[in-house]
Amino acid sequence: EAQVTQNPRYLITVTGKKLTVTCSQNMNHEYMSWYRQDPGLGLRQIYYSMNVEVTDKGDVPEGYKVSRKEKRNFPLILESPSPNQTSLYFCASRSTSGIHNEQFFGPGTRLTVL
Amino acid sequence: EDQVTQSPEALRLQEGESSSLNCSYTVSGLRGLFWYRQDPGKGPEFLFTLYSAGEEKEKERLKATLTKKESFLHITAPKPEDSATYLCAVQARGSGTYKYIFGTGTRLKVLA
Repeated sequence: EAQVTQNPRYLITVTGKKLTVTCSQNMNHEYMSWYRQDPGLGLRQIYYSMNVEVTDKGDVPEGYKVSRKEKRNFPLILESPSPNQTSLYFCASRSTSGIHNEQFFGPGTRLTVL
Repeated sequence: EDQVTQSPEALRLQEGESSSLNCSYTVSGLRGLFWYRQDPGKGPEFLFTLYSAGEEKEKERLKATLTKKESFLHITAPKPEDSATYLCAVQARGSGTYKYIFGTGTRLKVLA
């Protein structure tokens, strides 16, 4: 089954404790992206990657890091989480050669930073 | 500044009562406009892509249209299973052509 998977699905942590949220896709997509979703603010793009070793900032990159060492994986790293990073996070991927150019989203990771 | 505004924020319809959701956008150059459906606790699911003014796409009870300033998602004779949040997003041309800007969504509730 074609899908985007994220782990963990739920995470409660404390301020300053480094964490990584993993994202993996099995569709051989070139493009991958991370979003956060907050009430009243909608989905905001954090980082995206056009291909292996190619990443770029979205609209809200502060406090986050990403890496793209393999095509299928795009982990999101919070080196020193703060309470304002409490949010619902989505990973997405898409082909760069499709007709619809649609993104396929993962199930989400709900992060709480105390 | 690129911006997407969706209205209304929430909408309650009786089953069979048709209506439209609006997505107004301001972008430097539109590369594509996307509609997604999001159910509670899940990731968004793709519905439509529109590329140019005048374009229309249809799927079951949903029809998406695009003008130079806005897009509409028309829902004809909705059913309770159409209840969800509908998200609009744009992809702009120019630098950062793979950036996406999402609206805050319209929460639709269809009552039986």
